[in-house]
Amino acid sequence: AQKVTQAQTEISVVEKEDVTLDCVYETRDTTYYLFWYKQPPSGELVFLIRRNSFDEQNEISGRYSWNFQKSTSSFNFTITASQVVDSAVYFCALSDGSNYQLIWGAGTKLIIKP
Amino acid sequence: DVKVTQSSRYLVKRTGEKVFLECVQDMDHENMFWYRQDPGLGLRLIYFSYDVKMKEKGDIPEGYSVSREKKERFSLILESASTNQTSMYLCASSPPGVGTGFNQPQHFGDGTRLSIL
Repeated sequence: AQKVTQAQTEISVVEKEDVTLDCVYETRDTTYYLFWYKQPPSGELVFLIRRNSFDEQNEISGRYSWNFQKSTSSFNFTITASQVVDSAVYFCALSDGSNYQLIWGAGTKLIIKP
Repeated sequence: DVKVTQSSRYLVKRTGEKVFLECVQDMDHENMFWYRQDPGLGLRLIYFSYDVKMKEKGDIPEGYSVSREKKERFSLILESASTNQTSMYLCASSPPGVGTGFNQPQHFGDGTRLSIL
């Protein structure tokens, strides 16, 4: 069965610290896609990144980076030099061929203190 | 940029009323989705649609129905609202997936906070 686990319910750091949000997934498929979304206090979910299972290259976009490791079934998200505007709930999600739905993690609430 | 517009940010209705939540997208996406989001329960899929007049049940369709008469519009209907349907409702759209599954990014509206009194 497919599953996405975000074990960190809430993380609180001081501005400018680096922070990593963990995502562990389960799937039997060899072809699958992983996503990260951000939900700021305003409520709208914002797509951040999609990765497919054949591309294990790490991705960097400004202060954001993603580490995809198939060996540990993890797709972790790191924010470098965090800012107050990064405060949000972050969701990891999985799509594979055996289920027509996105499988969502429970989300990690990130609080950046000034 | 993709724009998904939900008709109301906040809505207050009474028990037993028929409630309509409207969602419109402007990117000609085939797929549209309705989720509800509750504290501690994450996002749960209510219904989705992969084409006009086509709909499929998600995880929690009971008490809801949907309508997709035009490609850009996907409506969620609470047939007889109950207090346990008080929640945040999120609409999303996406283009068709590659192969099977919904593997394209979903684009979300701002959400509707619905209170049933």
